[in-house]
Parts: sequence; C-alpha cells; structure tokens
Amino acid sequence: KAGVTQTPRYLIKTRGQQVTLSCSPISGHRSVSWYQQTPGQGLQFLFEYFSETQRNKGNFPGRFSGRQFSNSRSEMNVSTLELGDSALYLCASSLTAGDYEQYFGPGTRLTVT
Amino acid sequence: GQQLNQSPQSMFIQEGEDVSMNCTSSSIFNTWLWYKQDPGEGPVLLIALYKAGELTSNGRLTAQFGITRKDSFLNISASIPSDVGIYFCAGPVQGAQKLVFGQGTRLTINP
Repeated sequence: KAGVTQTPRYLIKTRGQQVTLSCSPISGHRSVSWYQQTPGQGLQFLFEYFSETQRNKGNFPGRFSGRQFSNSRSEMNVSTLELGDSALYLCASSLTAGDYEQYFGPGTRLTVT
Repeated sequence: GQQLNQSPQSMFIQEGEDVSMNCTSSSIFNTWLWYKQDPGEGPVLLIALYKAGELTSNGRLTAQFGITRKDSFLNISASIPSDVGIYFCAGPVQGAQKLVFGQGTRLTINP
C-alpha cells in the first residue's frame, strides 16, 4: 500500500508570496493532519481535516489555511509568506477521526527568502 | 498546555549497545506514540501504546506506557547503524484530535 505522498518536496519562495502544498493520504485513510517542523519549535500542529471539514486548528495565524477534498486529498496554503515560515511541512493521515495512529509523509521543505 | 519532555536530548553510543530514553509530562495521556525520523524524511510510527502499564515490542524496540499515565519509555536493544535518527514521543491533546510531540532524542552510533 502506498504511503502518504506530498508535493512538492522542495520549494523556494520570496517574502510576500503565497504557496500551496498538497498531500495525498494513504488509500482508505480519511483524516489528514498538517504539522510544521522547525529546529526551534519542533513539531507543531497546524490543522486536521476529516470529511472535508476542519476539526481542529493549532495556534497559527490566519495566513495558514487548508482544505480537504472529497477523495480525502488535502492542501494547505500559506499567504503573505514571512521568513519565519521556512520549515518542513508534514502531512499525516489516519483511518478516521479520533484515530491517533498518524502516518506521516516525507514533507515539503519550504524556504522563504 | 500539555507538553512532553524527552530525555536525554542526545545520545552517543557504540554499535551493539542498548538504548533507553523516556518521555514525561505533567498531564495524563491516554495514548503514547513513538516515532523515528531520519534526516529529510517524515516521522515513522514505531509503536503505539493505549493502556497504562502496557509493554509493546516491535523487533528490537520495546516501549512501555507508564502506570502513572504521565510517562513512557522506549528501549532499543543491540543497536545497529540504521537506528541512527531522532526519536519522538507523542500523545493526543485531551479533547482535541491533535498530537503534541516531545522535542526528540537524537541518537548517534559510533562505529
């Protein structure tokens, strides 16, 4: 069974631009969560989607948003990029809402210059 | 909020040695998860624990759910070079469908 896939793997953007990252969960998994990983803050929860609905959101500004499609694929968007948004963005999928066994993708490395 | 503290932060060991690391919290957790992350990759789920006192193995890895529900332990026996990486503990935040992660234990193995 294929794992979680994320595209693109690497991205370089300029301050003020916006970016969209994509995540395809493991087949049959319907819950998708997003995390930001930085050396200083570690792994921090961004948001979680199930059945196309955002169920939880972390403590991030409104510039960070996401959505989920009917096939469970998810996208996250960051608008008006700041230097501090440089990070590894990880997507994780699980079978259903309330299932804490989350399986991570390889991540998208975003660099903001 | 709920936080997880991992120790040690880093370990330097010889190949073949056993490894022990732990994760503690001031809050109670009902689930403990252990992940391993290799450079440039996402975390890989190693072991999930659901019951206080539970001891679960995955090959050379053994994890325990502390009886106080405020800690968990991970042991690796007879370490090999591919065990190198960062090990994270994680647990669900009460009342929310999200995980909180420890800061990680970085394992380095000297050949």
